[in-house]
Amino acid sequence: SFVLTQPPSVSVAPGKTASITCGGTNIGSKSVHWYQQRPGQAPVLVIYYDSDRPSGIPERFSGSNSGNTATLTISRVEAGDEADYSCQVWDSSTDHWVFGGGTKLTVL
Amino acid sequence: QVQLVQSGAEVKKPGASVKVSCKASGYTFNVYGVSWVRQAPGQGLEWMGWISGKNGNTNYAERVQDRVTMTTDTSTSTAYMELRSLRSDDTATYYCARVNGDYGGGWFDPWGQGTLVTVSS
Repeated sequence: SFVLTQPPSVSVAPGKTASITCGGTNIGSKSVHWYQQRPGQAPVLVIYYDSDRPSGIPERFSGSNSGNTATLTISRVEAGDEADYSCQVWDSSTDHWVFGGGTKLTVL
Repeated sequence: QVQLVQSGAEVKKPGASVKVSCKASGYTFNVYGVSWVRQAPGQGLEWMGWISGKNGNTNYAERVQDRVTMTTDTSTSTAYMELRSLRSDDTATYYCARVNGDYGGGWFDPWGQGTLVTVSS
């Protein structure tokens, strides 16, 4: 089955830019979705179809996907962005959805 | 607004079954599918399966396919997930989520608030 690899943790200072990667073989050929999960809360969609933002999600959140890596970028990071972020794709070889292991974003 | 509200926390003994409900509101239930995702304490998200809101077709993850049954009640816009032969490693928070976009590639939004299932003797 398709494997998505995320770094366990990323740290960033307030006001700076955070980049969270999601690696997979030829992931650029798939549609990637990203979720934010604050402690004790349910996941929230922040990016779908690689780079589209749902209504209500700040423009500071953006996404890209090419080759073997998809990236979630958060600009002008705020304390409230501290959360776990998980990527997701559809694995057409198994007809199943797959999640990455998640990345904990720490705002210093 | 579109909302999914799940049933409350459960404590079960090993070998028992649990049935979690997910009541949808704010949209036409039979137009969208529902997926179930679980999260063990301190762990990542694990997709468990999907059910069509239109015709009840299902697609289960291999890890649970022998023990899980997903159903819907279109009269009440409610999806259900039943897990049998519970083990300690089934202890997790279980989420339902509406599936948007294409079935083969869609995204999950919104999510229910989660239901904690604890398996303990």
